[in-house]
Parts: sequence; structure tokens; C-alpha cells
Amino acid sequence: GQNIDQPTEMTATEGAIVQINCTYQTSGFNGLFWYQQHAGEAPTFLSYNVLDGLEEKGRFSSFLSRSKGYSYLLLKELQMKDSASYLCAVVDSNYQLIWGAGTKLIIKP
Amino acid sequence: IAGITQAPTSQILAAGRRMTLRCTQDMRHNAMYWYRQDLGLGLRLIHYSNTAGTTGKGEVPDGYSVSRANTDDFPLTLASAVPSQTSVYFCASSDSIAGGSNEQFFGPGTRLTVL
Repeated sequence: GQNIDQPTEMTATEGAIVQINCTYQTSGFNGLFWYQQHAGEAPTFLSYNVLDGLEEKGRFSSFLSRSKGYSYLLLKELQMKDSASYLCAVVDSNYQLIWGAGTKLIIKP
Repeated sequence: IAGITQAPTSQILAAGRRMTLRCTQDMRHNAMYWYRQDLGLGLRLIHYSNTAGTTGKGEVPDGYSVSRANTDDFPLTLASAVPSQTSVYFCASSDSIAGGSNEQFFGPGTRLTVL
């Protein structure tokens, strides 16, 4: 079967750095997305990785290792507005997105 | 304003009733999707459409039907609602379904409660 694993919840301090991990086992791989979802709102796109390595976009970076079936989202200089759920999703061989359950990130002052 | 709209925002429905959730996008995207999101679970694909006139079944299609008469609209119908269909429903669209980098854009969601 297909499986995406993320931690259920993480807590971090404002101004700090946090890494949210995602491991996956899917039928085929055509890329990996990270989305942000604030409570009661729709998911919004953060990043896309298809090749191994680190993609940096401002305070957010995303890393992919296809051989290990592993990705992480790195958030730097945390702000209170970063409190949200972070969803990892893999594009499978049918170009469908397989979603993880999401990681709820709580930022404390 | 470009984007995706969904209606209604929320609905309480008696079991056994028929209900259609509406979704409209103005980005001229070819592909559209319906997901349900339940606490503790990832988004699960109900139905999708690669292009106007075609539809396909996702992971959890039972009890739901869709149509895609034109590019912009992708309604989701519950023929006879059951309590297990209580969920938040998201409609999404992307430029195409092929090519992994096609970001999906999401509507604001419909919160449905079936009693």
C-alpha cells in the first residue's frame, strides 16, 4: 500500500528553527509537495521537490532524498503566524497526490 | 478575483437527503479534484477530472458522484447522505494532471454535517 508518515504535532519557540520530517512509500514517485494549512482554511502551496537536494525559498526550505523515501521542511526564524498544519504529499505513478495526515506546528512565544 | 469558490460554506443535512456541493474555478485549469479531510487522516481523493467531459474515481468514491460539463464547474453530489460523510470537503484545480510539478489550488472548503 501507499503510506506517508509525518509527526502528528510539534512545538517550537518563536525565532527558532524547526524541521518537519516526512517519509513515504508509494507506487512510483513524480515529486513531493509541501502545503501549509491554517486552522479552518484551505491548504496553500509551499514547495515542490522532484530531484534530490535542498530547495530554499525565503525562510522555508525543503529537502528530498528519493533513495531514502524522505523529505523535510525546514522553517527558520519562526513567527507566530507559522502556527499551522504542514502537509506532505507525494505524486504517485498515476500523477495522483497521496497525502500525509499533516503535522500541527505550535509556536510558543 | 481569480481562484476557486465553493458553496455552501457549511451545511447540516439529514441522513438520506440528496446534496450537491458546488465548485467553480476561473483559472481555466484543465484538472479538478474533490477531497475530503477528516481529523487525523490525510486529504483523501473522492473524484477527479482531467479535462471537461471526463471524470475518474479516487480513493473513496462510494456514495459520491461528479460531473464536468464545462471547464469551470465541478459539482459533487451525495445521492443519499449518511453520517460517515460528515467531513470537510475541498475542491481543487491544477493546470493539468500530468507532470508532477502542477500545483493544486484549493477552494475554501465546505463543512458538511450529516445527522
